[in-house]
Parts: sequence; C-alpha cells; structure tokens
Amino acid sequence: DVKVTQSSRYLVKRTGEKVFLECVQDMDHENMFWYRQDPGLGLRLIYFSYDVKMKEKGDIPEGYSVSREKKERFSLILESASTNQTSMYLCASSSQLAGGRNEQFFGPGTRLTVL
Amino acid sequence: KNQVEQSPQSLIILEGKNCTLQCNYTVSPFSNLRWYKQDTGRGPVSLTIMTFSENTKSNGRYTATLDADTKQSSLHITASQLSDSASYICVVSLTSGTYKYIFGTGTRLKVLA
Repeated sequence: DVKVTQSSRYLVKRTGEKVFLECVQDMDHENMFWYRQDPGLGLRLIYFSYDVKMKEKGDIPEGYSVSREKKERFSLILESASTNQTSMYLCASSSQLAGGRNEQFFGPGTRLTVL
Repeated sequence: KNQVEQSPQSLIILEGKNCTLQCNYTVSPFSNLRWYKQDTGRGPVSLTIMTFSENTKSNGRYTATLDADTKQSSLHITASQLSDSASYICVVSLTSGTYKYIFGTGTRLKVLA
C-alpha cells in the first residue's frame, strides 16, 4: 500500500518560532510537493521538488523554504512563523511517468496553528 | 487565466439518493483531469483520472465524465452512503510531465441518514 506520511497531524507554534514540517514517501517518486489548504481557496502550491536537492517555487513561496536531501523526504520550513501561516499543510508525491497519468498521492495533512 | 470552478459549493442529500457535481475549467494546454475525495481533516484521495481522449471513467459508485470540447466534467455518485460525506475536488493538470496542477475549491457533500 503506497504511503505518504507527515510528521505531525496537529501542531501549535508561537509567532516567530522556526517550524519544520516533514514528509516521507515510500513509492520512490521523483516529484514531491508542499501545498497549503485554506477554506474557499483550494490547494495552493508552496514549493515543488523534482529531484534530490532540486526545488522550484510554487505560487506562494514567501515565508517558506524547503529541503530535499534524500529522495524520499521533503521538508517544509517556516523560518519565522506568523499567524497568517495558520493553515492545513499537505504534502504530495508523484512519479515522472509519461502519458499524463502522473497521479499525485497526498499525505494526511498537518494542521498548523500559529498563536 | 487557468482556472477550475466547481459547483455547487455545498450539497446536502439523503442517503440512497444520487447526485452530480460539476467542474468547469479554462486550462490550457490540458493534460488530464482528476477527481479527488477528501474526508474532513485528511489528505485527498484519487477517485478517477481522465485524459483528453476519455469521456467516462467509473470507480464503483463514482462515475466521472469529461467533455473536452466544452471543458466540463461531472462526478456522479450513485446510491449515496453516509461515508460519501466529504469534499470532492476537481484538479486539472497542464501538459503531460509538468508539475502544474490547477485545483478547484471543491464541493462539500453531506449525506444524511
């Protein structure tokens, strides 16, 4: 059974703290993604990685950074958490299949609250 | 602008009834369209994936249709169950092999006993 796991389901942090969100996939996928999901806005891409040590900014990268030192692990870092980063964070992975069927597999999500 | 719009925003039906959710998109160049089911507090799970040449795809009681000419898709749920209560998200991806996925905001379905 394929799996994407995230380090925490719920997290509460204080403004200004450094926050690490970890994601691990066991499918040997090349692509990994970090999204945030807010009511009424749908999923928005923060960062994307298509290979180890490679990353690309998504639509809303401000205030975030990422790290991909190993193929199976993709970390999202909030350098100095702010209240407007309170959200549900979803990690996903996909393979680089040809033919357009590169389905994304999502983790269970981390609900982050910044006080 | 690449957009995916879903309707209705929310829907309440009685157990056992059928329902249809709509997805309209203005995405180009189109690669494929997926429907995901997302239970509250969970990550989305894929229901169907359709490429340009496919008009219908079924997964149990879920049937998705795609009209690439009118850029519309629908997800039909037959004989609804309480466990169908969830958000349903339509996602369109741009050309094959890229990472660009355009997400709709979802339809929140509530099935009542």
